[in-house]
Amino acid sequence: SYVLTQPPSVSVAPGKTAMITCGGNNIGTRTVHWYQQKPGQAPVMVVYDDSDRPSGIPERFSGSNSGNTATLTVTRVEVGDEADYYCQVWDSLVIFGGGTKLTVL
Amino acid sequence: QVQLVESGGGVIQPGRSLRLSCEASGFTFSRYAMHWVRQAPGRGLEWVAIIWDDGSNRFYADSVKGRFTISRDRSKNTLFLQMNSLRAEDTAVYYCARARYGSGSYSLDYWGQGTLVTVSS
Repeated sequence: SYVLTQPPSVSVAPGKTAMITCGGNNIGTRTVHWYQQKPGQAPVMVVYDDSDRPSGIPERFSGSNSGNTATLTVTRVEVGDEADYYCQVWDSLVIFGGGTKLTVL
Repeated sequence: QVQLVESGGGVIQPGRSLRLSCEASGFTFSRYAMHWVRQAPGRGLEWVAIIWDDGSNRFYADSVKGRFTISRDRSKNTLFLQMNSLRAEDTAVYYCARARYGSGSYSLDYWGQGTLVTVSS
């Protein structure tokens, strides 16, 4: 079955840019979605279809997907962005990456 | 606004059965496929099952296939997850989520707050 690989953690200072990767074999040929989950809360979609944002999601969140890596980029990081982030693809069933904890130093 | 409210969780002994419900509002329930996703304590997200908008197709994760059944009642705008032969490793928060289809892919655009299932003797 298809596997998505994420780094367990990413750290960034406030105001800087965080890049969270999601690796998979030829993932650039698939459509990737991203979710944010804050402690004790349900996940929230932040990017869909590789690079589109749902209404209400700040423009600071963006996505890209090419080759073997999809990336969620968060610019001008805020303390409130500290959360777990999951990538997801559809492969006749839903596949999630293992998740990345974003820490804002 | 879209709302999904899960219920039915609790503490249950291994081998027993439990049925979860997810009441949907704020959208036309009959037009959307729906998912169940779970999250064990301190772990990542694990997809459980999907059911098509008309209930014609259902797919399951290997970890629950043959034990769990996803269903829906369009007249009551409610999604269900029947869980049989429960195991300790089924302990998790269970979320229902609305399916979004686009670019040949299903995603999960709205999530409920989850219901906790604890399987323990």
